[in-house]
Amino acid sequence: KAGVTQTPRYLIKTRGQQVTLSCSPISGHRSVSWYQQTPGQGLQFLFEYFSETQRNKGNFPGRFSGRQFSNSRSEMNVSTLELGDSALYLCASSTPTSGSWSYEQYFGPGTRLTVT
Amino acid sequence: GNSVTQMEGPVTLSEEAFLTINCTYTATGYPSLFWYVQYPGEGLQLLLKATKADDKGSNKGFEATYRKETTSFHLEKGSVQVSDSAVYFCALIPISGAGSYQLTFGKGTKLSVIP
Repeated sequence: KAGVTQTPRYLIKTRGQQVTLSCSPISGHRSVSWYQQTPGQGLQFLFEYFSETQRNKGNFPGRFSGRQFSNSRSEMNVSTLELGDSALYLCASSTPTSGSWSYEQYFGPGTRLTVT
Repeated sequence: GNSVTQMEGPVTLSEEAFLTINCTYTATGYPSLFWYVQYPGEGLQLLLKATKADDKGSNKGFEATYRKETTSFHLEKGSVQVSDSAVYFCALIPISGAGSYQLTFGKGTKLSVIP
């Protein structure tokens, strides 16, 4: 099976612009989660989508939003970019396995966003 | 709330040395526990997992045992290699009826193995 893919891998934007990142989960996975990774804050949960519905949201401002499509692909959008939004954005997909409650998540390579 | 505490790095070891990275957690109920590894310039790879007390997760020579009494999930490897140099993250998912998939991570421990 192909793994989680994220596009683009690298992005440079200017403060005040907006950006859209894309994530394609592992085939058959219906849950997609997004995380932000920075040297100072570490790995922080942004939001999780399941069957096109946002099921959980982390403590981020409303400038961060996301959506999921019927094929489980997901996008996240950041509007009015700030310098502090520079980070590695990671997408992870998951699906409950019959008889298992591990909810293990599989991560993509990430999108490195630099805001100047 | 949920939290994960892991030992501060960086950790530098010689090849074939024994590795232990400590991890303790705070969570309600019975969380699932994970170790992830991140190599330079890459995303996170699931290294091993455990879903209930006394479960031992293992993969690629790494092991960790779910200890409910000490709320710990320490990572161990008997003989590290240069290729094990990476950042290691301990993480948990609290299991709830809502089926939330939110991972809570520790801050990561950078391991460097020298020949």
